[in-house]
Amino acid sequence: EAAVTQSPRNKVTVTGGNVTLSCRQTNSHNYMYWYRQDTGHGLRLIHYSYGAGNLQIGDVPDGYKATRTTQEDFFLLLELASPSQTSLYFCASRDDQDTQYFGPGTRLLVL
Amino acid sequence: QQKVQQSPESLIVPEGGMASLNCTSSDRNVDYFWWYRQHSGKSPKMLMSIFSNGEKEEGRFTVHLNKASLHTSLHIRDSQPSDSALYLCAARGNTGNYKYVFGAGTRLKVIA
Repeated sequence: EAAVTQSPRNKVTVTGGNVTLSCRQTNSHNYMYWYRQDTGHGLRLIHYSYGAGNLQIGDVPDGYKATRTTQEDFFLLLELASPSQTSLYFCASRDDQDTQYFGPGTRLLVL
Repeated sequence: QQKVQQSPESLIVPEGGMASLNCTSSDRNVDYFWWYRQHSGKSPKMLMSIFSNGEKEEGRFTVHLNKASLHTSLHIRDSQPSDSALYLCAARGNTGNYKYVFGAGTRLKVIA
């Protein structure tokens, strides 16, 4: 099964802080995704990418930047974190059969 | 407003019973649907996909799709306590941008 890892698994920061969430997939999938999960909203797409250097805007991109440095690595950046960004963040990659494989998630708390 | 609506929000069924979950898209460009299952504290995992009108069965799980109404349903027969989870419906359009929209989910609890 496809392997997607995320780090850190938990993160606490203060309002205005700088946070980078990391995601790595080792299956050579082209597409990678960043979602946030909040009760009552399911998974909401923040940004996605179809290859190194590419970035596509998702449905809730405000306050987030992302960068895809290699086929394997996709980063989510919060440069001025706000309490509204407290959430559970999932990274996923997509295979050619249109199945997404999710990482274990990063729980972020912004105080 | 969520473009993918799921109902009910929560569902309790007895062990051995039938669970029926619904999902409808309000976006007429949607063409493909998935059902993901997320156990508590875990990440979502793809359960079933359906791209054509009709029905698809895999073991105890059956999905239906009506493309005209953009409605899909997931039915779990002989429900087990291990089926207790959050069930997420995902949809994608046919525009080739591989962008997915998820519903808020149905929380299923199977009681012994």
